[in-house]
Amino acid sequence: EAGVAQSPRYKIIEKRQSVAFWCNPISGHATLYWYQQILGQGPKLLIQFQNNGVVDDSQLPKDRFSAERLKGVDSTLKIQPAKLEDSAVYLCASSPTPGTRRGNEQFFGPGTRLTVL
Amino acid sequence: QKEVEQDPGPLSVPEGAIVSLNCTYSNSAFQYFMWYRQYSRKGPELLMYTYSSGNKEDGRFTAQVDKSSKYISLFIRDSQPSDSATYLCAMSEWIGNTPLVFGKGTRLSVIA
Repeated sequence: EAGVAQSPRYKIIEKRQSVAFWCNPISGHATLYWYQQILGQGPKLLIQFQNNGVVDDSQLPKDRFSAERLKGVDSTLKIQPAKLEDSAVYLCASSPTPGTRRGNEQFFGPGTRLTVL
Repeated sequence: QKEVEQDPGPLSVPEGAIVSLNCTYSNSAFQYFMWYRQYSRKGPELLMYTYSSGNKEDGRFTAQVDKSSKYISLFIRDSQPSDSATYLCAMSEWIGNTPLVFGKGTRLSVIA
């Protein structure tokens, strides 16, 4: 089966600019996550979607970050305006319906590496 | 104190060595424990998962959970250069589609 797709793979912007990342989860996966991984750290959850509804966005800096998952499939994560501390890898993950085979596993995409200058 | 503590290394071992990777945690509600492997410029991939305390073996990999000590381990036997990667422990309170809390990751190099 095809994995989680993300684009772009790399992005360099200047502070105060805006940027958007795109994620296409594995077909049929109901749950989608966006994680932020700062260099030398483990991934930290930003937002979790179940189909097209938000389950958890408690750690999303809502003054500058926004995310949506239209039609319960693809998702976009936007930062506006970007700050230097937003430099990180943004990982998208998806998981199947709970209770199904491998329903507890999260499948990660390759990530988008953002550098804010 | 962070919820999950993991020594970032780096850890360098000769090929064939036994590798021990560890994490401690503070949240006693964690029940579901995972180890992910992350190669450079790739996303994490699930290696092992265990529920509650105990051991689980899969080929050269063994995961151990000691909930009384809030301590989990991953052992790699007969380590290979292809095992060179960052190993992330992760945990959650529930089974199911729930966010994971990750450690910082330990960078491992296996030298041929």
